[in-house]
Amino acid sequence: DAKTTQPPSMDCAEGRAANLPCNHSTISGNEYVYWYRQIHSQGPQYIIHGLKNNETNEMASLIITEDRKSSTLILPHATLRDTAVYYCIVRSRVGNTPLVFGKGTRLSVIA
Amino acid sequence: DTEVTQTPKHLVMGMTNKKSLKCEQHMGHRAMYWYKQKAKKPPELMFVYSYEKLSINESVPSRFSPECPNSSLLNLHLHALQPEDSALYLCASSQLDGNQPQHFGDGTRLSIL
Repeated sequence: DAKTTQPPSMDCAEGRAANLPCNHSTISGNEYVYWYRQIHSQGPQYIIHGLKNNETNEMASLIITEDRKSSTLILPHATLRDTAVYYCIVRSRVGNTPLVFGKGTRLSVIA
Repeated sequence: DTEVTQTPKHLVMGMTNKKSLKCEQHMGHRAMYWYKQKAKKPPELMFVYSYEKLSINESVPSRFSPECPNSSLLNLHLHALQPEDSALYLCASSQLDGNQPQHFGDGTRLSIL
């Protein structure tokens, strides 16, 4: 079973920041927080992941709370092409644990 | 563009047919995965291969038969499928390290008549 809770849907105006929350209150010290997105008719696309520090790459920023029980994915300037389902996934750092997907958040970017 | 290539992109087959889905990666990854995704649902794990050996089978019916002939290739052999098996079948690969992401192909959309 998925270990995360996300809102089922969100809207964001084009050009504004999209902030997608995720609760993972049972996360252990050996687990990463991963974010993927899936645009219609494509495979899931890796966005970013982190353990306890905030992370930033060319796609997004990941903010993890100090107690690690929740996180927020930030898309700084959302475009129409960011419309997708966003999945927050907790994954063990030990060995080769496959991703287990929850229901995700459907983000709609509106012009 | 994806670095995991899946063929065919679309497949229509009858319930008595035998077909195979193929997946290829050239990133040197030693773990490969099959997922099944029904419409408007998240992907569900089916199989995991580590070093070309089956390490996880999520109680998948025997009409789905995976094969990993080498570290770059992953097949899914299909036989006597049911209409409810119609779905998007996704392949992924990764290093054997939880700090490395899984990379997904764009899937094969399978329709069973």
